[in-house]
Amino acid sequence: NAGVTQTPKFQVLKTGQSMTLQCAQDMNHNSMYWYRQDPGMGLRLIYYSASEGTTDKGEVPNGYNVSRLNKREFSLRLESAAPSQTSVYFCASRSQRGIGYEQYFGPGTRLTVT
Amino acid sequence: GDSVTQMEGPVTLSEEAFLTINCTYTATGYPSLFWYVQYPGEGLQLLLKATKADDKGSNKGFEATYRKETTSFHLEKGSVQVSDSAVYFCALASTQGGSEKLVFGKGTKLTVNP
Repeated sequence: NAGVTQTPKFQVLKTGQSMTLQCAQDMNHNSMYWYRQDPGMGLRLIYYSASEGTTDKGEVPNGYNVSRLNKREFSLRLESAAPSQTSVYFCASRSQRGIGYEQYFGPGTRLTVT
Repeated sequence: GDSVTQMEGPVTLSEEAFLTINCTYTATGYPSLFWYVQYPGEGLQLLLKATKADDKGSNKGFEATYRKETTSFHLEKGSVQVSDSAVYFCALASTQGGSEKLVFGKGTKLTVNP
């Protein structure tokens, strides 16, 4: 049981390049999330998917797109990377619909945009 | 909207010292509350949680009590160890917008010296 996995672990992009961050979970969770973590800012929600086939914007969605490919996988795409998107990106998943169930986090992807 | 405020760090303690990290929240109703811990280079792990008023969450010697009167969920540990050095995040489960999402504080970095 690997939990939540993310690829790649590290990535360096030039401004204007595109890339997709991959996330998969093997816990049969319904909900999945993408966050970014910046110094002094905590974690901020980019997009989330409450169930397979649905996606919604979070707090900071501009410059990103997502795809919930199936129940296991939730990818985050940067179409035209900007230096402001330099950050650590975390994917998370959660089991039940309802209240108070904890989220499980992946190990993160450290992205640098030059 | 829902928000979490936690004490700013960094916090530096000697081994066996008492730890308190303050966390207060603003939310509609009585959300579930969480403390997550992030060890260097890793993703977030759930440390403890409380789902209703007066609940006490506990794990690995850490405790936090859900106080609705003061809208607080302070993290405490009686005797910290070097291995407790990490960043600690307070979070609440927000249902604004229909689906449950976590709202995080900005994190408090703890360093424990031998």
